Amino acid sequence: AQRVTQPEKLLSVFKGAPVELKCNYSYSGSPELFWYVQYSRQRLQLLLRHISRESIKGFTADLNKGETSFHLKKPFAQEEDSAMYYCALMNRDDKIIFGKGTRLHILP
Amino acid sequence: EAQVTQNPRYLITVTGKKLTVTCSQNMNHEYMSWYRQDPGLGLRQIYYSMNVEVTDKGDVPEGYKVSRKEKRNFPLILESPSPNQTSLYFCASSLAASAHNEQFFGPGTRLTVL
Repeated sequence: AQRVTQPEKLLSVFKGAPVELKCNYSYSGSPELFWYVQYSRQRLQLLLRHISRESIKGFTADLNKGETSFHLKKPFAQEEDSAMYYCALMNRDDKIIFGKGTRLHILP
Repeated sequence: EAQVTQNPRYLITVTGKKLTVTCSQNMNHEYMSWYRQDPGLGLRQIYYSMNVEVTDKGDVPEGYKVSRKEKRNFPLILESPSPNQTSLYFCASSLAASAHNEQFFGPGTRLTVL
Protein backbone atom coordinates (compact mmCIF):
# COMPACT_ATOMS: atom_id res chain seq x y z
CA ALA A 1 0.00 0.00 0.00
CA GLN A 2 1.17 3.50 -0.74
CA ARG A 3 1.47 5.45 2.44
CA VAL A 4 3.16 8.47 3.97
CA THR A 5 3.81 8.31 7.69
CA GLN A 6 4.62 11.23 9.93
CA PRO A 7 5.05 9.64 13.32
CA GLU A 8 4.90 12.82 15.40
CA LYS A 9 1.64 14.73 15.75
CA LEU A 10 3.33 17.48 17.70
CA LEU A 11 6.97 18.48 18.01
CA SER A 12 8.12 21.16 20.42
CA VAL A 13 11.60 22.57 19.98
CA PHE A 14 13.40 25.45 21.64
CA LYS A 15 14.37 28.41 19.51
CA GLY A 16 17.90 27.93 18.19
CA ALA A 17 17.80 24.15 18.57
CA PRO A 18 17.91 21.78 15.58
CA VAL A 19 14.65 20.57 14.08
CA GLU A 20 13.92 17.25 12.44
CA LEU A 21 10.44 16.39 11.22
CA LYS A 22 10.20 12.74 10.30
CA CYS A 23 8.59 11.37 7.17
CA ASN A 24 8.61 7.77 6.01
CA TYR A 25 6.95 6.47 2.91
CA SER A 26 5.79 3.19 1.49
CA TYR A 27 5.92 3.02 -2.29
CA SER A 28 7.22 0.48 -4.78
CA GLY A 29 8.90 2.73 -7.28
CA SER A 30 10.75 6.01 -7.43
CA PRO A 31 8.73 8.44 -5.36
CA GLU A 32 8.33 12.13 -5.90
CA LEU A 33 8.29 13.72 -2.47
CA PHE A 34 7.34 17.11 -1.12
CA TRP A 35 7.05 19.03 2.08
CA TYR A 36 4.13 21.45 2.45
CA VAL A 37 3.65 23.96 5.26
CA GLN A 38 0.59 25.70 6.65
CA TYR A 39 1.25 28.75 8.81
CA SER A 40 -1.51 30.02 11.07
CA ARG A 41 -4.35 31.57 9.06
CA GLN A 42 -2.54 31.03 5.78
CA ARG A 43 -3.01 28.67 2.88
CA LEU A 44 -1.13 25.45 2.55
CA GLN A 45 2.00 26.10 0.48
CA LEU A 46 4.91 24.17 -0.91
CA LEU A 47 8.05 24.29 1.21
CA LEU A 48 10.36 22.11 -0.84
CA ARG A 49 10.50 19.14 -3.20
CA HIS A 50 13.14 16.46 -3.31
CA ILE A 51 13.67 16.73 -7.05
CA SER A 52 14.94 20.31 -6.70
CA ARG A 53 17.37 19.52 -3.89
CA GLU A 54 16.72 23.02 -2.61
CA SER A 55 16.98 24.72 0.76
CA ILE A 56 14.05 26.94 1.64
CA LYS A 57 13.95 29.08 4.79
CA GLY A 58 16.90 27.07 6.05
CA PHE A 59 15.07 23.75 5.69
CA THR A 60 16.46 20.81 3.75
CA ALA A 61 15.21 17.30 3.13
CA ASP A 62 17.16 14.37 1.73
CA LEU A 63 15.54 11.38 0.15
CA ASN A 64 16.93 8.19 1.68
CA LYS A 65 15.68 5.32 -0.46
CA GLY A 66 17.27 2.70 1.78
CA GLU A 67 15.35 3.91 4.80
CA THR A 68 12.38 5.12 2.70
CA SER A 69 12.56 8.46 4.47
CA PHE A 70 12.39 12.11 3.59
CA HIS A 71 12.97 13.87 6.90
CA LEU A 72 12.82 17.66 7.05
CA LYS A 73 15.69 19.33 8.89
CA LYS A 74 16.78 22.76 9.98
CA PRO A 75 19.90 23.40 12.07
CA PHE A 76 18.54 26.32 14.11
CA ALA A 77 14.82 26.71 14.75
CA GLN A 78 13.20 30.14 14.58
CA GLU A 79 9.91 31.21 16.13
CA GLU A 80 8.40 31.85 12.70
CA ASP A 81 8.87 28.16 11.87
CA SER A 82 5.89 27.28 14.08
CA ALA A 83 3.36 25.75 11.69
CA MET A 84 1.76 22.54 10.49
CA TYR A 85 4.02 20.51 8.19
CA TYR A 86 2.86 17.86 5.74
CA CYS A 87 4.97 15.37 3.86
CA ALA A 88 3.47 14.26 0.54
CA LEU A 89 4.16 11.73 -2.19
CA MET A 90 3.13 11.77 -5.84
CA ASN A 91 2.83 8.34 -7.40
CA ARG A 92 3.22 7.30 -11.03
CA ASP A 93 -0.51 7.84 -11.60
CA ASP A 94 -0.10 11.46 -10.47
CA LYS A 95 -2.18 10.80 -7.36
CA ILE A 96 -0.95 12.70 -4.31
CA ILE A 97 -0.82 11.13 -0.86
CA PHE A 98 -0.30 13.29 2.20
CA GLY A 99 0.87 12.32 5.64
CA LYS A 100 -1.24 13.25 8.65
CA GLY A 101 0.94 16.21 9.44
CA THR A 102 3.18 17.33 12.29
CA ARG A 103 2.56 20.49 14.25
CA LEU A 104 5.87 22.19 14.99
CA HIS A 105 5.89 24.46 18.00
CA ILE A 106 8.96 26.59 18.57
CA LEU A 107 9.44 27.50 22.21
CA PRO A 108 11.01 30.88 23.04
CA GLU B 1 -3.36 38.20 -8.96
CA ALA B 2 -2.64 34.52 -9.62
CA GLN B 3 -4.75 32.46 -7.27
CA VAL B 4 -7.12 29.59 -6.57
CA THR B 5 -10.55 30.61 -5.33
CA GLN B 6 -13.24 28.52 -3.69
CA ASN B 7 -16.88 29.27 -2.99
CA PRO B 8 -18.51 29.21 -0.61
CA ARG B 9 -15.97 29.54 2.18
CA TYR B 10 -18.44 28.29 4.80
CA LEU B 11 -21.53 26.15 4.34
CA ILE B 12 -23.96 24.52 6.71
CA THR B 13 -26.44 22.17 5.10
CA VAL B 14 -28.65 19.20 5.88
CA THR B 15 -28.34 15.56 4.98
CA GLY B 16 -29.37 14.78 1.41
CA LYS B 17 -29.46 18.31 0.04
CA LYS B 18 -27.27 18.44 -3.06
CA LEU B 19 -24.50 21.01 -3.02
CA THR B 20 -21.63 22.20 -5.18
CA VAL B 21 -18.40 23.80 -4.07
CA THR B 22 -16.76 25.73 -6.85
CA CYS B 23 -13.03 25.99 -7.50
CA SER B 24 -11.46 28.30 -10.02
CA GLN B 25 -7.86 29.11 -10.96
CA ASN B 26 -6.55 31.85 -13.21
CA MET B 27 -3.09 30.44 -13.86
CA ASN B 28 -3.91 28.22 -16.85
CA HIS B 29 -3.00 25.17 -14.78
CA GLU B 30 -3.66 21.71 -16.14
CA TYR B 31 -3.69 19.74 -12.88
CA MET B 32 -6.42 20.37 -10.33
CA SER B 33 -7.29 18.46 -7.21
CA TRP B 34 -9.70 18.32 -4.27
CA TYR B 35 -8.72 17.35 -0.72
CA ARG B 36 -10.48 17.04 2.57
CA GLN B 37 -8.72 17.79 5.81
CA ASP B 38 -9.86 16.11 8.99
CA PRO B 39 -8.30 16.20 12.48
CA GLY B 40 -5.82 13.40 12.92
CA LEU B 41 -6.14 12.31 9.30
CA GLY B 42 -4.31 15.10 7.49
CA LEU B 43 -5.20 15.80 3.87
CA ARG B 44 -6.75 13.12 1.75
CA GLN B 45 -7.19 13.46 -1.98
CA ILE B 46 -10.78 13.10 -3.19
CA TYR B 47 -10.47 13.55 -6.94
CA TYR B 48 -7.94 15.00 -9.31
CA SER B 49 -7.88 16.11 -12.92
CA MET B 50 -4.93 16.06 -15.26
CA ASN B 51 -6.65 18.24 -17.83
CA VAL B 52 -10.02 19.14 -19.32
CA GLU B 53 -12.43 16.18 -19.41
CA VAL B 54 -9.91 13.97 -17.55
CA THR B 55 -10.70 13.14 -13.93
CA ASP B 56 -9.51 10.37 -11.62
CA LYS B 57 -10.38 9.10 -8.19
CA GLY B 58 -8.13 9.92 -5.29
CA ASP B 59 -8.08 8.08 -1.98
CA VAL B 60 -11.55 9.00 -0.75
CA PRO B 61 -13.88 9.57 -3.73
CA GLU B 62 -17.02 7.94 -2.30
CA GLY B 63 -19.92 10.35 -2.06
CA TYR B 64 -18.34 12.96 -4.32
CA LYS B 65 -18.41 13.85 -8.00
CA VAL B 66 -16.34 16.30 -10.00
CA SER B 67 -16.32 17.69 -13.50
CA ARG B 68 -13.72 19.45 -15.60
CA LYS B 69 -15.51 20.98 -18.56
CA GLU B 70 -13.12 23.89 -18.78
CA LYS B 71 -9.56 24.34 -17.68
CA ARG B 72 -10.09 26.96 -15.01
CA ASN B 73 -12.95 25.33 -13.09
CA PHE B 74 -13.14 22.13 -11.09
CA PRO B 75 -16.36 21.96 -9.05
CA LEU B 76 -16.88 19.41 -6.29
CA ILE B 77 -20.40 18.00 -6.14
CA LEU B 78 -22.02 16.26 -3.21
CA GLU B 79 -25.20 14.69 -4.59
CA SER B 80 -26.51 13.56 -1.21
CA PRO B 81 -24.33 14.91 1.59
CA SER B 82 -24.04 13.00 4.83
CA PRO B 83 -22.69 14.06 8.25
CA ASN B 84 -19.45 12.14 7.67
CA GLN B 85 -18.68 14.60 4.89
CA THR B 86 -18.42 17.41 7.41
CA SER B 87 -14.88 18.57 6.82
CA LEU B 88 -12.56 21.29 5.58
CA TYR B 89 -12.14 21.07 1.82
CA PHE B 90 -9.24 22.39 -0.21
CA CYS B 91 -8.90 22.80 -3.93
CA ALA B 92 -5.43 22.98 -5.46
CA SER B 93 -3.90 23.44 -8.89
CA SER B 94 -0.51 23.10 -10.54
CA LEU B 95 0.87 23.72 -13.97
CA ALA B 96 1.02 20.00 -14.65
CA ALA B 97 1.27 16.77 -12.72
CA SER B 98 4.97 16.73 -12.11
CA ALA B 99 7.41 16.78 -9.24
CA HIS B 100 8.71 20.06 -10.64
CA ASN B 101 5.42 21.82 -10.24
CA GLU B 102 4.18 23.41 -7.06
CA GLN B 103 0.56 22.96 -6.04
CA PHE B 104 -1.26 26.19 -5.21
CA PHE B 105 -4.03 25.80 -2.67
CA GLY B 106 -7.31 27.59 -2.27
CA PRO B 107 -8.39 29.13 1.05
CA GLY B 108 -10.58 26.19 2.02
CA THR B 109 -14.31 25.58 2.40
CA ARG B 110 -15.62 24.53 5.78
CA LEU B 111 -18.64 22.30 5.29
CA THR B 112 -20.99 21.14 8.03
CA VAL B 113 -23.65 18.56 7.20
CA LEU B 114 -26.34 18.24 9.86
